[in-house]
Amino acid sequence: DAGVIQSPRHEVTEMGQEVTLRCKPISGHNSLFWYRQTMMRGLELLIYFNNNVPIDDSGMPEDRFSAKMPNASFSTLKIQPSEPRDSAVYFCASGTSGSYNEQFFGPGTRLTVL
Amino acid sequence: GEDVEQSLFLSVREGDSSVINCTYTDSSSTYLYWYKQEPGAGLQLLTYIFSNMDMKQDQRLTVLLNKKDKHLSLRIADTQTGDSAIYFCAEMGGGQGFSFIFGKGTRLLVKP
Repeated sequence: DAGVIQSPRHEVTEMGQEVTLRCKPISGHNSLFWYRQTMMRGLELLIYFNNNVPIDDSGMPEDRFSAKMPNASFSTLKIQPSEPRDSAVYFCASGTSGSYNEQFFGPGTRLTVL
Repeated sequence: GEDVEQSLFLSVREGDSSVINCTYTDSSSTYLYWYKQEPGAGLQLLTYIFSNMDMKQDQRLTVLLNKKDKHLSLRIADTQTGDSAIYFCAEMGGGQGFSFIFGKGTRLLVKP
């Protein structure tokens, strides 16, 4: 298995532009998580899906952020318009409820908003 | 509110033991976790402990859980330079599904 796949790995954009981050979870996993990591705030859960349905989006910073999961093998996190304070590493993770509920993380997308 | 606290930095010499500490808030957490993040990579599960256990040992790793004080620790014996990474403590959050609450991570630096 290739693990969780995220694209792009790096994104540099200008303030005001739309940014779309993509994630392909591990096949067979029914939960998907989007996290943001910064030095100041550490690792923050933005939103998670169970069986493609958003369960908790209370971590989404504001209306500029949106996430979709149209099917079990694909999810997007969109920021529109982007701002410099959105610069961070964004991780996608997937998992399945089981004995100890391990989450498998992707390599992350490093976003820089100028 | 829910919060997981960790010290931010630890430096040890190669061959020494490392102890990383964590306090959590949700006494109903079924599992508690330690994740490792190497530079430029995502987090990877290192070990976990079930809440009805006091200790779990896995090769060089020992996890101690004190439920009364809501304190979790990770001990790495014979620490190697390859153990240099950020270590995250996590507990399962409340609500539906199984979202995790992560600490800010402890950066472990192992000096040769």
